[in-house]
Amino acid sequence: DAGVTQSPTHLIKTRGQQVTLRCSPKSGHDTVSWYQQALGQGPQFIFQYYEEEERQRGNFPDRFSGHQFPNYSSELNVNALLLGDSALYLCASSFAGGDSPLHFGNGTRLTVT
Amino acid sequence: RKEVEQDPGPFNVPEGATVAFNCTYSNSASQSFFWYRQDCRKEPKLLMSVYSSGNEDGRFTAQLNRASQYISLLIRDSKLSDSATYLCVVRNKGGGGADGLTFGKGTHLIIQP
Repeated sequence: DAGVTQSPTHLIKTRGQQVTLRCSPKSGHDTVSWYQQALGQGPQFIFQYYEEEERQRGNFPDRFSGHQFPNYSSELNVNALLLGDSALYLCASSFAGGDSPLHFGNGTRLTVT
Repeated sequence: RKEVEQDPGPFNVPEGATVAFNCTYSNSASQSFFWYRQDCRKEPKLLMSVYSSGNEDGRFTAQLNRASQYISLLIRDSKLSDSATYLCVVRNKGGGGADGLTFGKGTHLIIQP
């Protein structure tokens, strides 16, 4: 039973560049959520995808966008990178609705220089 | 007042001791509660859900006090491997986050030999 997988593991980008992060949910899960976790902070919700649509969004600018594919996998895109975008980006999957807890992937550590 | 507050610690505890920490939440309509464990530079992993009547899983006991709006986590006979950051997670129906999930910043626990 494959868990949540994310790629790449680490990434270094320069200010102003664009980045795409990828996530495959746990087998059987249909909902994917993305979080940003800065050092010493708890994860901050970016957005959630279900049925290939963005269902909810946190307090992040439009530079952050995403996509969900028919196989439930998802991408997170960040444009015009800022130094402050350096963080661990976590993908979490779950079942839609109910009280399903989140299952997290290993994360992508993004460093913007 | 922050939505979910935790003492960041660190809590330095000798191996074999019992340790407890609390988490307070501000939204009285919060519906469900979880404790996640996060090792250094790793993803959060679900430790346990917290039920109204309290629940136990091996050496771990979680309790919920709705009147005072806090949840607690008790670890008995602590092991070196319990060293980690413990994240308190609250779900608010219709609130912010993925299905209203809000994460605390985490409590850092260090078990000393």
